[in-house]
Amino acid sequence: EAQVTQNPRYLITVTGKKLTVTCSQNMNHEYMSWYRQDPGLGLRQIYYSMNVEVTDKGDVPEGYKVSRKEKRNFPLILESPSPNQTSLYFCASSLQGGRPVETQYFGPGTRLLVL
Amino acid sequence: AQRVTQPEKLLSVFKGAPVELKCNYSYSGSPELFWYVQYSRQRLQLLLRHISRESIKGFTADLNKGETSFHLKKPFAQEEDSAMYYCALGSQAGTALIFGKGTTLSVSS
Repeated sequence: EAQVTQNPRYLITVTGKKLTVTCSQNMNHEYMSWYRQDPGLGLRQIYYSMNVEVTDKGDVPEGYKVSRKEKRNFPLILESPSPNQTSLYFCASSLQGGRPVETQYFGPGTRLLVL
Repeated sequence: AQRVTQPEKLLSVFKGAPVELKCNYSYSGSPELFWYVQYSRQRLQLLLRHISRESIKGFTADLNKGETSFHLKKPFAQEEDSAMYYCALGSQAGTALIFGKGTTLSVSS
């Protein structure tokens, strides 16, 4: 089944403890992206990747890192999590980045609580 | 500036009533607009996009460039339509979807 997967789905951690949220897609998509969803704010882009080894900042990149060593994987790294990073995180992918804008397919989400 | 505005946080209607979820955008050039839906405890999924001009689950949306709007409509709401609806705009560079804050649609019998 064509899909985007994320792990873990739920995570409780403490301030400062490094964590990684994995994202994988099996659709051979070039473009991948991370969003965070907060009540009253909708979804905001954290980082995106147009292709392997090509990543760039979105609107809210502070406190996050990403890497794109393989086409299918796009992990999100929080080196030193803080409580303001408590959120619901979505990974998404599409066939290509750029225009025309392709439909993005979303993962199931990762709910993170930082104490 | 690129921006999407969904003025209603919550829209409550009765089953069988017409529904209109409002979306206004700010964009220079030809916008690419989408509606995504998120059912309870499920991932976001595409409902429709303006270039396809198709009707999905009875929903339609027409791009009105004069009013910079892309409102989502359905003539007769069903209880299974209850969900969060997001309007989204493709960014100028095509590197992101810019989302509105979302509207929760609640359909009751």
